Amino acid sequence: GENVEQHPSTLSVQEGDSAVIKCTYSDSASNYFPWYKQELGKGPQLIIDIRSNVGEKKDQRIAVTLNKTAKHFSLHITETQPEDSAVYFCAVTTNSNSGYALNFGKGTSLLVTP
Amino acid sequence: SAVISQKPSRDICQRGTSLTIQCQVDSQVTMMFWYRQQPGQSLTLIATANQGSEATYESGFVIDKFPISRPNLTFSTLTVSNMSPEDSSIYLCSVAQSQGTKNIQYFGAGTRLSVL
Repeated sequence: GENVEQHPSTLSVQEGDSAVIKCTYSDSASNYFPWYKQELGKGPQLIIDIRSNVGEKKDQRIAVTLNKTAKHFSLHITETQPEDSAVYFCAVTTNSNSGYALNFGKGTSLLVTP
Repeated sequence: SAVISQKPSRDICQRGTSLTIQCQVDSQVTMMFWYRQQPGQSLTLIATANQGSEATYESGFVIDKFPISRPNLTFSTLTVSNMSPEDSSIYLCSVAQSQGTKNIQYFGAGTRLSVL
């Protein structure tokens, strides 16, 4: 099955700095790559996603880049704020009629200190 | 995006008992899923809840332990049967909605289960 590796497991940055989280995957058929943010006591929230036919996508302070050849994708958060502190999960799926199930990375606990 | 309500939000149960978790969606959806998130861990898919037929379970999960119902396109239940402390986890319901060429998954807030 799909193997998703996520690094780092913990990340501490100062407010205003950038944070980068990286994921690699094994199945070349994967074509949809969402990122979720999970705050304490809540369910995961989709923050950004990218499809395999796109190399980069940006939404305000958040961006995702995809290198399909190398099978890795990254989440970039610029100008971090304390409210960005949460656990971030990358996920991978083939998003086809044969399966929409998400394979998740192990998560990155991001702490933004004022 | 879909609004998903899960009940209960948390529970403390005795070993050997069973708990049924409910998931209600504010719109009709074809795809509903149940995930487990063990303390401090990632999410693992338990099963896909199929409307009108049996759920499709992932490796390591069986129907006798995690029976699932899906009576219609807006509701599903997951039962955790004959619980043991190892079942202490967050159980999450999710739904997939089509947006253009992709299917986006949205999650409920989860049910935090502690088994004593």
